[in-house]
Amino acid sequence: ETGVTQTPRHLVMGMTNKKSLKCEQHLGHNAMYWYKQSAKKPLELMFVYNFKEQTENNSVPSRFSPECPNSSHLFLHLHTLQPEDSALYLCASSQGVTSRELFFGEGSRLTVL
Amino acid sequence: DQQVKQNSPSLSVQEGRISILNCDYTNSMFDYFLWYKKYPAEGPTFLISISSIKDKNEDGRFTVFLNKSAKHLSLHIVPSQPGDSAVYFCAASAQTGANNLFFGTGTRLTVIP
Repeated sequence: ETGVTQTPRHLVMGMTNKKSLKCEQHLGHNAMYWYKQSAKKPLELMFVYNFKEQTENNSVPSRFSPECPNSSHLFLHLHTLQPEDSALYLCASSQGVTSRELFFGEGSRLTVL
Repeated sequence: DQQVKQNSPSLSVQEGRISILNCDYTNSMFDYFLWYKKYPAEGPTFLISISSIKDKNEDGRFTVFLNKSAKHLSLHIVPSQPGDSAVYFCAASAQTGANNLFFGTGTRLTVIP
């Protein structure tokens, strides 16, 4: 088992679709994160969860809806997305929310048509 | 405005020679710096870090140098190997917690055999 796994690896969706990205970590970490990576832009932090509780939402539009049912699983529910939301979405975990060392998944490449 | 900048999008180096990747930052409050490495189709992985109380940190072939007065850090890889070909991201933070990490846009290193 790799440390942080993400599914699906690739997703193509229309603007009216509803889909979800899934992340699972096998590292026993307590904090989980969603990042967005767009071409030629720095990684953008979207959401932070600590012990299943959301501790940060970086002004992310409501068409992105995170869910963290337990410390090992994190979802990103997507609905009525825009083409500019096409990007690589990276999940990460860390031992605690004060840790600065992140462990990333492989990412989910999202294309919105 | 980006607080962490990697002004060289790409770098090519001959195998066996030194690779030097550069990173500049604007926030003088940053006190902890990290380098991540990313292969295609994989998530970024932590490579090396440095605290602002040091000006150098070494780990095998990888050395990070910090020049606080210039707000500049660099990653040296000696000797460079083809397996080092990847995208390298620098990141910086002023407080604990990955939610306070600022990333650069990355530099793609190609090591030519």
